[in-house]
Amino acid sequence: SAVISQKPSRDICQRGTSLTIQCQVDSQVTMMFWYRQQPGQSLTLIATANQGSEATYESGFVIDKFPISRPNLTFSTLTVSNMSPEDSSIYLCSVAQGGTEAFFGQGTRLTVV
Amino acid sequence: QKEVEQNSGPLSVPEGAIASLNCTYSDRGSQSFFWYRQYSGKSPELIMSIYSNGDKEDGRFTAQLNKASQYVSLLIRDSQPSDSATYLCAVNIGDYKLSFGAGTTVTVRA
Repeated sequence: SAVISQKPSRDICQRGTSLTIQCQVDSQVTMMFWYRQQPGQSLTLIATANQGSEATYESGFVIDKFPISRPNLTFSTLTVSNMSPEDSSIYLCSVAQGGTEAFFGQGTRLTVV
Repeated sequence: QKEVEQNSGPLSVPEGAIASLNCTYSDRGSQSFFWYRQYSGKSPELIMSIYSNGDKEDGRFTAQLNKASQYVSLLIRDSQPSDSATYLCAVNIGDYKLSFGAGTTVTVRA
């Protein structure tokens, strides 16, 4: 499977600020996704990162709050904008390559104070 | 209605026993099903995928799928303390997107 690297691995941010999370894959992949895992919860899909076009957001997530870029087949960023304590979560980059199996990066643990 | 439901935990089993995890899903058109293991503080790790009705075995893990009943299960045989983790059932809901269950936390007692 592809090697997925996320940066930063963790951060503590002030409310009202923004954080950009990077996801780098060591090979070209068909699909890239961003998930959120709130404390003690399971994973929720935020959006599909589309190469060269706007991301496709799931219900409850909007571009103004979670802008996503995917300039090529190996890289994507997720920005968490105007953060509040409710945004404290683990954000996970995921890729699907070939088949339907999905693999995850190590995640970014975000704490908003 | 939640798309993927898992049996409530936590589940505590003695070392060497079988741990049985269950999952039901609502989308009858789903074709791909996965079990992920997540250790505390770590990201999910894919341990099993299953696409056809019946059983699929991989080492000490057996996944079972019954599409008619919309049911997926995972058996962990000869449970080891290293199997202590949260197990997430995931269902492909189209376009490679996954819907996850809430997870079942398994503790294997030495």
